[in-house]
Amino acid sequence: EAQVTQNPRYLITVTGKKLTVTCSQNMNHEYMSWYRQDPGLGLRQIYYSMNVEVTDKGDVPEGYKVSRKEKRNFPLILESPSPNQTSLYFCASSPADTEETQYFGPGTRLLVL
Amino acid sequence: GENVEQHPSTLSVQEGDSAVIKCTYSDSASNYFPWYKQELGKRPQLIIDIRSNVGEKKDQRIAVTLNKTAKHFSLHITETQPEDSAVYFCAASQAGTALIFGKGTTLSVSS
Repeated sequence: EAQVTQNPRYLITVTGKKLTVTCSQNMNHEYMSWYRQDPGLGLRQIYYSMNVEVTDKGDVPEGYKVSRKEKRNFPLILESPSPNQTSLYFCASSPADTEETQYFGPGTRLLVL
Repeated sequence: GENVEQHPSTLSVQEGDSAVIKCTYSDSASNYFPWYKQELGKRPQLIIDIRSNVGEKKDQRIAVTLNKTAKHFSLHITETQPEDSAVYFCAASQAGTALIFGKGTTLSVSS
């Protein structure tokens, strides 16, 4: 089944404790991205990647890191999480670019205490 | 960079009525305008999109119109049904750049 998976789905952590949210797609998509969703603010792009080893900042990259070492995986790293990073995170992929259908993962709900 | 404004933020209609959601964008170079629907607790899913070389596109009860001169595009849902209740997001992009979303419209359809 073609899909985008994210892990974990739910995470409670404390300020400053490094964490990684994994994202994987099995559709051989070149484009992958991370969004955060907050009430009243919609979906805001954190980072995106056009292909392996190619990443770029989105609207709200501060406090986040990403890597794209393999085509299928695009992990989101929070080196020192803070409470303002409490949010719902979505990973998405598309065949080649933003001008194609974005396939979203199921979301990861993060609470930073 | 691109900025997308979406209105209204909430919309309540009676079943069978039409619903219209409007978006404006700032970057005249944007040429791709998708609409996503997000049901409660679910992930966003594409429902329709339009490219800058087209003025209107329809898919059953859903249509999108684009006015490039005025830099705005709209989603039209006819004969609304309770299952249309969701949050709808518009977005804008061009090749090689980030996809920028509007803040969303919560549509409630009452029967």
